[in-house]
Amino acid sequence: AQSVAQPEDQVNVAEGNPLTVKCTYSVSGNPYLFWYVQYPNRGLQFLLKYITGDNLVKGSYGFEAEFNKSQTSFHLKKPSALVSDSALYFCAVRDGAGNNRKLIWGLGTSLAVNP
Amino acid sequence: EPEVTQTPSHQVTQMGQEVILRCVPISNHLYFYWYRQILGQKVEFLVSFYNNEISEKSEIFDDQFSVERPDGSNFTLKIRSTKLEDSAMYFCASSELISTDTQYFGPGTRLTVL
Repeated sequence: AQSVAQPEDQVNVAEGNPLTVKCTYSVSGNPYLFWYVQYPNRGLQFLLKYITGDNLVKGSYGFEAEFNKSQTSFHLKKPSALVSDSALYFCAVRDGAGNNRKLIWGLGTSLAVNP
Repeated sequence: EPEVTQTPSHQVTQMGQEVILRCVPISNHLYFYWYRQILGQKVEFLVSFYNNEISEKSEIFDDQFSVERPDGSNFTLKIRSTKLEDSAMYFCASSELISTDTQYFGPGTRLTVL
């Protein structure tokens, strides 16, 4: 069965420090992996995705994520956090092998960047 | 930048009533989706829709739910007889035809069933 785990409910980091939000997944075929961010009272905004190719993908707002097949992980990273990065972050996966497009989601990680 | 829009932002209804949630997908997108998020739980897939028919649906999407593209721009989710457990945030999304395309989400409709 497909699943996504975000092991941390909350991540706290000081402004200017690097941040990592963790995600591990389970999927039977080739994983298509996504990160979305949700600000208060806003929808789910796409940040970045991994489909194939380079394991390090770069996305919006200076975020990047590294696909690690052996560890079945897709951790989100940013070299220098901003207070405005404080939000709820969701990892999602779908099985790229089939025709279905449903995304399977993690529970989300609340990121708090302290000034 | 094109975006998915949803109306209303908040809907309050009595148990047993019908509700229709509306979405306007991005104009050149051909795949449409509904997801929901019950408070404190994961975002859950409900249904995908392509070429005027359901492409895939989850076990949540039972006979009480239906989707429709009544015209060239709107995509609706109808719940025929709402239950208390239908209270959730409902997100609409759309994507292009290519299977690797990103799903872009609207701001959501918060449905409260009393």
